[in-house]
Amino acid sequence: AQTVTQSQPEMSVQEAETVTLSCTYDTSESDYYLFWYKQPPSRQMILVIRQEAYKQQNATENRFSVNFQKAAKSFSLKISDSQLGDAAMYFCAYRSWKDQFYFGTGTSLTVIP
Amino acid sequence: ETGVTQSPTHLIKTRGQQVTLRCSSQSGHNTVSWYQQALGQGPQFIFQYYREEENGRGNFPPRFSGLQFPNYSSELNVNALELDDSALYLCASQPRTNLPTDTQYFGPGTRLTVL
Repeated sequence: AQTVTQSQPEMSVQEAETVTLSCTYDTSESDYYLFWYKQPPSRQMILVIRQEAYKQQNATENRFSVNFQKAAKSFSLKISDSQLGDAAMYFCAYRSWKDQFYFGTGTSLTVIP
Repeated sequence: ETGVTQSPTHLIKTRGQQVTLRCSSQSGHNTVSWYQQALGQGPQFIFQYYREEENGRGNFPPRFSGLQFPNYSSELNVNALELDDSALYLCASQPRTNLPTDTQYFGPGTRLTVL
């Protein structure tokens, strides 16, 4: 079974600085997708960024980028120029070839003004 | 906003009762997944429905059941409620085209409290 591990329950960052959230996963599949979702206090999960495992190039979405290391099964999220609105719970998620999603336990990000 | 809606927003039930939660998927999406998110935890996969058929199930007992309707909206039913069923229940829809753009879009959730 696939497992997703987020080893940082809480992180904080100064406004305008950069922060990296870690995620590792375990799988025997070769083809899969990885996601980062953001869950603000309003609780609606919002897609931040997506990475296809067959792509070597790291995905980027504006201030958000990932460092995908397939051999190490690592998928970290970098947030540049952090903003107050980035404060939320961040979940790393794995999508299997069976189209099922597995989530980590989340990292709570605090942005300090 | 993702276009996925859930009702009700909050619900309080007592142990042993039954509950039905509802989800309307985003237009054009034929697949709906349900998740249970306990306080301080990540979402746990309950099951998925694709074109009205169950298409995968997580480690949840049979008292968790579901339906998907021809318009792709969905229901989650939980029988014989237990205190541990208290959680945020999330619904997510996706287009199921097997394209890389397939992504789950989540609703705001239903907060269920079992007393």
